[in-house]
Amino acid sequence: QVAGSGGLVAQAGGSLRLSCETSDFSLREHTMFWVRQVPGKAPEWVSLISWSGGSKFYAESVKGRFTMFRDITENSLSLEMTSLTSDDSAVYYCARGAWEEKTCTTITCRGYIDSWGRGTLVTVTS
Amino acid sequence: VVMTQSPLSLAVTLGEPASISCRSSHSLVVSSGGKADLAWYLQKPGQSPHLLIHVASKRAPGVPDRFTGSGSGTDFTLKISRVEAEDVGIYYCMQGLYTPTFGQGTRLEIK
Repeated sequence: QVAGSGGLVAQAGGSLRLSCETSDFSLREHTMFWVRQVPGKAPEWVSLISWSGGSKFYAESVKGRFTMFRDITENSLSLEMTSLTSDDSAVYYCARGAWEEKTCTTITCRGYIDSWGRGTLVTVTS
Repeated sequence: VVMTQSPLSLAVTLGEPASISCRSSHSLVVSSGGKADLAWYLQKPGQSPHLLIHVASKRAPGVPDRFTGSGSGTDFTLKISRVEAEDVGIYYCMQGLYTPTFGQGTRLEIK
């Protein structure tokens, strides 16, 4: 199971940290994703970390501002978000990845999302 | 990679079939005979998305066999053989071969 944190509010220019606790599986076995969705819009991929933790990738819209962390001992994932703007307001999902080909390239780790968390609403106020 | 779904909305009578198309701007198959990194999700009202189909045609565990995914290369289709009330929601395709991207979504409602 993948469980996210509750709703969070931040001011523009501020920072937030999202957390995600996982159970029933090891982060060492799965790629993990953060995906966000503005209500009424399609999901947008934000970041992913490989099963080894050796590869992290970020969407251009958040690169340099967001950082993904994982704690193997706690089996938890987090997303540190800085320099927030109103465009970052969305529901953020922590999600587990799976694959047919266990491969990471220079731009991504191949595969798909097989389990989504409940989502955390992030609101950035100006 | 741009994913384009059609139609954007669909109204179907209960028990009738439905079909959704997803087109990718780039081929989602690495080599001839290889599997496409294309998945389909359903997001029911007020819920997180959940997986229906992966590698274009494999049903996820617990997904009814009335859902069928097909296609290769750049063109993919999700078919529902007989729509039921619980199928209402928004369907998204997602490619995972390149930087992950989603289609705009197709809203399915009951006529």
